[in-house]
Amino acid sequence: DVKVTQSSRYLVKRTGEKVFLECVQDMDHENMFWYRQDPGLGLRLIYFSYDVKMKEKGDIPEGYSVSREKKERFSLILESASTNQTSMYLCASSLSGLAFFGQGTRLTVV
Amino acid sequence: AQTVTQSQPEMSVQEAETVTLSCTYDTSENNYYLFWYKQPPSRQMILVIRQEAYKQQNATENRFSVNFQKAAKSFSLKISDSQLGDTAMYFCAFMNYNTDKLIFGTGTRLQVFP
Repeated sequence: DVKVTQSSRYLVKRTGEKVFLECVQDMDHENMFWYRQDPGLGLRLIYFSYDVKMKEKGDIPEGYSVSREKKERFSLILESASTNQTSMYLCASSLSGLAFFGQGTRLTVV
Repeated sequence: AQTVTQSQPEMSVQEAETVTLSCTYDTSENNYYLFWYKQPPSRQMILVIRQEAYKQQNATENRFSVNFQKAAKSFSLKISDSQLGDTAMYFCAFMNYNTDKLIFGTGTRLQVFP
C-alpha cells in the first residue's frame, strides 16, 4: 500500500525557532511537494523537487527552504518561524499524474 | 498561469439525495488532468476522481461522477445517493501533464444530513 508519512501530526513552536517538517515516501517517486493549507485559500505550493538534491520554488516560498538528500525524504525548513506560518502543511509525492498525500502537520507558532 | 475556482464555500444535502459541486478552471494548456479530492476531518487527502483532458468521456467512480466541459473549462462533481461519510471538504484541482504540480481551488465544505 502506498504511503507518505509526515513526522508529526501536531507541532507547537516558538517565534524565531528553526522548524523541520519531515516527509518520507515509500513508492520510489521522483516528484515530491510541500503544500500549505489555509481556510479559504485552499492548498498552495511552497516548494517541490523532481530529483535528489534538486529543488524549485513554488508559489509561496518566502520564509521556507527545503532539503532532499535522499529520494524518499523531503524536508521543509522554517528558518525562523513566525506566527503567520501557523498553518496546515501537507506533503505529497507523485508519479505520472497521480499524487499521494501525507496526513498533514498542523503547525502552531506562538 | 492556471487558476481553479470553486464558488460554493459550503453545501448541504440530505442523506440519499444527489448533490453537485461546481468547479471552473482557466488554462492555456491542452494536456492536463483534473481531480476531485476529499478531505474528511482526519485531514487525509483522498482522491475521489481523476479526469484526463484528452478523454471526452466523463469519469465515474461508483457514486461519484463528473461533468467535464472542456470548452467551457468546467468540471463539476456529482455525488449520488449521498452518505453521512461523504461529509468532508472537497477540493477541485488542476495538474499539468508535464509537471505534476497541483493547483487547488479554495474548497467546498459538504455536510450530509440524516
